[in-house]
Amino acid sequence: SQKIEQNSEALNIQEGKTATLTCNYTNYSPAYLQWYRQDPGRGPVFLLLIRENEKEKRKERLKVTFDTTLKQSLFHITASQPADSATYLCALAPSNTGKLIFGQGTTLQVKP
Amino acid sequence: NAGVMQNPRHLVRRRGQEARLRCSPMKGHSHVYWYRQLPEEGLKFMVYLQKENIIDESGMPKERFSAEFPKEGPSILRIQQVVRGDSAAYFCASSPEVGGFYNEQFFGPGTRLTVL
Repeated sequence: SQKIEQNSEALNIQEGKTATLTCNYTNYSPAYLQWYRQDPGRGPVFLLLIRENEKEKRKERLKVTFDTTLKQSLFHITASQPADSATYLCALAPSNTGKLIFGQGTTLQVKP
Repeated sequence: NAGVMQNPRHLVRRRGQEARLRCSPMKGHSHVYWYRQLPEEGLKFMVYLQKENIIDESGMPKERFSAEFPKEGPSILRIQQVVRGDSAAYFCASSPEVGGFYNEQFFGPGTRLTVL
């Protein structure tokens, strides 16, 4: 069956450290994968998109990797800050149809 | 440029009533998506619409749920004869183009439906 999985356990790290979140998928061949941030009571906010032919994408303190052989994406936040505390969602597009399949999200807590 | 707007933000209905959720996409966006988020669960795709057309409704329950995106006006997600299990946050998202460069989706703040 098709699955997209993120670590369900919350990730707690100290301010200034690098947070690494994992997204694994099975039985999909996505055209691209996206990462979103969601704060409590609010809608998701788009962060980064990485295409199937890209290995890595960066935006300020954020970095995403995409390994289509391992069927895995890693999301890194360097020099983390308490304001980075939120739930991070990965989402894949099974094809170029616009429909997104979301993982259940990983909650990150950055402690000062 | 206003973001995606959803109303109402909170909606309370009794079992058996109808719920209507509205979504106005960002200006210039012609693609609308509806997602449902149950407590402690991830976002689940429901339906994808373009103006006057349903493109993909593979995530919609077979009964009681319908969606439309008319030529004029907001997109509407309609739930007839609501049951307690329909209690969730319903998010609308929009995008300007599919298959092109701008593939990210812009989400609204959501409508939190509570069924008593």
